Amino acid sequence: DVKVTQSSRYLVKRTGEKVFLECVQDMDHENMFWYRQDPGLGLRLIYFSYDVKMKEKGDIPEGYSVSREKKERFSLILESASTNQTSMYLCASSSSTRGGQGIYTFGSGTRLTVV
Amino acid sequence: GNSVTQMEGPVTLSEEAFLTINCTYTATGYPSLFWYVQYPGEGLQLLLKATKADDKGSNKGFEATYRKETTSFHLEKGSVQVSDSAVYFCALSASNTNAGKSTFGDGTTLTVKP
Repeated sequence: DVKVTQSSRYLVKRTGEKVFLECVQDMDHENMFWYRQDPGLGLRLIYFSYDVKMKEKGDIPEGYSVSREKKERFSLILESASTNQTSMYLCASSSSTRGGQGIYTFGSGTRLTVV
Repeated sequence: GNSVTQMEGPVTLSEEAFLTINCTYTATGYPSLFWYVQYPGEGLQLLLKATKADDKGSNKGFEATYRKETTSFHLEKGSVQVSDSAVYFCALSASNTNAGKSTFGDGTTLTVKP
């Protein structure tokens, strides 16, 4: 069964901490994405990557960075966590093949609380 | 730019009722259209898709038809069950975007009561 695995389901961190959210996919997908999901705001794209070491800003990149050193792993980094980054974080991946574009496989999400 | 507009929720139905969730889109070119479903406590999963005009996507009793003339992709099910309670997202993927980046609607929450 193909999978996107997020390392933690629930995480509680303190304000000012550096936080790492990890995402691993086993489908050899080229594209990977990080979203945050907040009530009433839908899904908002933070960053995405279309190849190893390549990254592009999404709609709300401020306060975040990413790392993609290997094709299967895409990490989201909160440089200095703040309470307004309390949210559900969703990782997704997709293929760049003609038939695969737009078909996202999502992880189960990480619910991050910053106190 | 590309955009997706979904009917606002929440939607509450009784079991066996007919479901329609409206979705309209704006895009250049010929996008592919998708419906995703998110069950409580989980990530999104692909429900169905359509890649060209007049295509009908279907899965688990849900259907949606790609209507280019009305730029719509409405989700329908003839008889909903309690287990269909979830959040439904309409999305599009346009060939002119980097990495096939999709645009999502805001989601519509469906609650089905016994």
